[in-house]
Amino acid sequence: QSALTQPASVSGSPGQSITISCTGTSSDVGGYNYVSWYQQHPGKAPKLMIYEVSNRPSGVSNRFSGSKSGNTASLTISGLQAEDEADYYCSSYTSSSLYVFGTGTKVTVL
Amino acid sequence: QVQLQESGPGLVKPSQTLSLTCTVSGGSISSGGYYWSWIRQHPGKGLEWIGYIYYSGSTYYNPSLKSRVTISVDTSKNQFSLKLSSVTAADTAVYYCARRHSSGYYFGRWGQGTLVTVSS
Repeated sequence: QSALTQPASVSGSPGQSITISCTGTSSDVGGYNYVSWYQQHPGKAPKLMIYEVSNRPSGVSNRFSGSKSGNTASLTISGLQAEDEADYYCSSYTSSSLYVFGTGTKVTVL
Repeated sequence: QVQLQESGPGLVKPSQTLSLTCTVSGGSISSGGYYWSWIRQHPGKGLEWIGYIYYSGSTYYNPSLKSRVTISVDTSKNQFSLKLSSVTAADTAVYYCARRHSSGYYFGRWGQGTLVTVSS
């Protein structure tokens, strides 16, 4: 099972919106609405930001939103803030009953 | 608030077995409703799902590691464990334990992670 494909880096200025893509196949991203997104600050554990494509856990800012089209899922961060600078990983359940993560995207706030 | 905490040796010799334990506090593994998972992250790299266990003992493993992995649960201690045999330097990683809700395909709670280095 190959890792989902994400851009290595995305940057934006404070207040702007950025979008991170996550591309898989019909056996994972495209086949299920079980895409989740995680934020990871350096030296910290990942934190769930979005689950089941577009749902936000309690306590996560509504500046984070998720969507999916075909085999590609997306995470959008609006009103970019300095604290959003981190690595972001997508994940999907797969037809093989296992989980695959994305390659990771480093978000830089300029 | 459920918390997860990994523990175990930070250094393992090549060809030996890596053993880690995750202690769960603030909730009972035996109450059901969750899959208890192990996920690892190689230095500077992405995340890799290793597998998970239900309180009943049912296990699911990543096929790429299945021949070397055993995940077990001890409900009396509210812990679950990972054993990875025949380790090599490629198994050097930060190992996280995490919780997945039985009706949700995501990992909502994570431990802080523990670095395991494989070296002689």
